[in-house]
Amino acid sequence: GAVVSQHPSRVICKSGTSVKIECRSLDFQATTMFWYRQFPKKSLMLMATSNEGSKATYEQGVEKDKFLINHASLTLSTLTVTSAHPEDSSFYICSARDPRSGRTDTQYFGPGTRLTVL
Amino acid sequence: AQSVTQPDIHITVSEGASLELRCNYSYGATPYLFWYVQSPGQGLQLLLKYFSGDTLVQGIKGFEAEFKRSQSSFNLRKPSVHWSDAAEYFCAVVTGAGGTSYGKLTFGQGTILTVHP
Repeated sequence: GAVVSQHPSRVICKSGTSVKIECRSLDFQATTMFWYRQFPKKSLMLMATSNEGSKATYEQGVEKDKFLINHASLTLSTLTVTSAHPEDSSFYICSARDPRSGRTDTQYFGPGTRLTVL
Repeated sequence: AQSVTQPDIHITVSEGASLELRCNYSYGATPYLFWYVQSPGQGLQLLLKYFSGDTLVQGIKGFEAEFKRSQSSFNLRKPSVHWSDAAEYFCAVVTGAGGTSYGKLTFGQGTILTVHP
């Protein structure tokens, strides 16, 4: 099956610093990856769609300059939370669309990154 | 706009009992439907998916789901629940299915499953 990894799994940082989260597809090439945010006891909220070699597409209400996304290769997308503040503390999950799934557009998810901003 | 509703926020069953988690969707075209499971502090694992053909879909871990177009439902079932099934379950639909390369997922609110010994 398709495997997606995320690094780090957990990060604690001081307010005002930037944090980078990596998402990798391990056994397939993903032209499209997605970044989600999940609040406690809530469902997943799509933040942005990351496309290899082009700019990310952000959902309404998500600050592009705050959440920088780079998809430089077919197996790696990164999310950088810039000038993090306590309200950015959350569980961030990435997914990658497996092109082998054809029309079903199946996404496989990483294990998530718990960000805590002090 | 498409939407997914999971009416039950929390369900409790006894180990060995049968399980049915409800999912209703609103989508104009033929939906591509998914069930994912999330253990605490973890990412989502795909249980099963439906995109065409047989309306009864078999998944991993003994789960199955039935697509009923007339009821706009895609309920998840398991005949005998194990303690390790305790987790949160999400139903989801892909938007722009088959028509775009983005395939954004719209998730339901999730159903937390508690299993009593």
